[in-house]
Amino acid sequence: DAGVTQSPTHLIKTRGQHVTLRCSPISGHKSVSWYQQVLGQGPQFIFQYYEKEERGRGNFPDRFSARQFPNYSSELNVNALLLGDSALYLCASPGGRSTDTQYFGPGTRLTVL
Amino acid sequence: GESVGLHLPTLSVQEGDNSIINCAYSNSASDYFIWYKQESGKGPQFIIDIRSNMDKRQGQRVTVLLNKTVKHLSLQIAATQPGDSAVYFCAETQGFQKLVFGTGTRLLVSP
Repeated sequence: DAGVTQSPTHLIKTRGQHVTLRCSPISGHKSVSWYQQVLGQGPQFIFQYYEKEERGRGNFPDRFSARQFPNYSSELNVNALLLGDSALYLCASPGGRSTDTQYFGPGTRLTVL
Repeated sequence: GESVGLHLPTLSVQEGDNSIINCAYSNSASDYFIWYKQESGKGPQFIIDIRSNMDKRQGQRVTVLLNKTVKHLSLQIAATQPGDSAVYFCAETQGFQKLVFGTGTRLLVSP
């Protein structure tokens, strides 16, 4: 079975542009969480979706938004990109018997110039 | 507050030694903790977890210890190998599947 998948792997954008990142959870799981990891720091929670509804939101501006589709895949959208949005964006889903255990995808490396 | 911190940013060990990575957490209500390993350019990889009703859990070459009295976690890696070189994060679960991470400890293993 495939783990958490994310696309694209890398992305380069300029300030002011918008970006869409994609994620699919581990097969059979209905929850997706998004995290931002700035270089040299731990991941920071952005959003959590379960059954297409937002269940949690971290301390991020309204430029960040997300949605979840009927097949439980998810998109993270960031508008009006800033240089500080450059980071590794990680997606996580449950994958074991316990839904508390989160497994991460490989991430999307976003560079804003 | 909601923060998970680590005592040592970098830990250097010799191959074959045992490694101990420490972590302090601040939320006494947290009841589930996970250790992740992250190699350069990759997503965090699950290593081992522990619930707050336990004080020790063992996996293959790894052991996690939880001291709720002082809100402290540790990850012990036995017979450390060069492939163990990575950044290690502890994380605590707050709310429904929300993880709070620290800044990480870099483990460097010399042959």
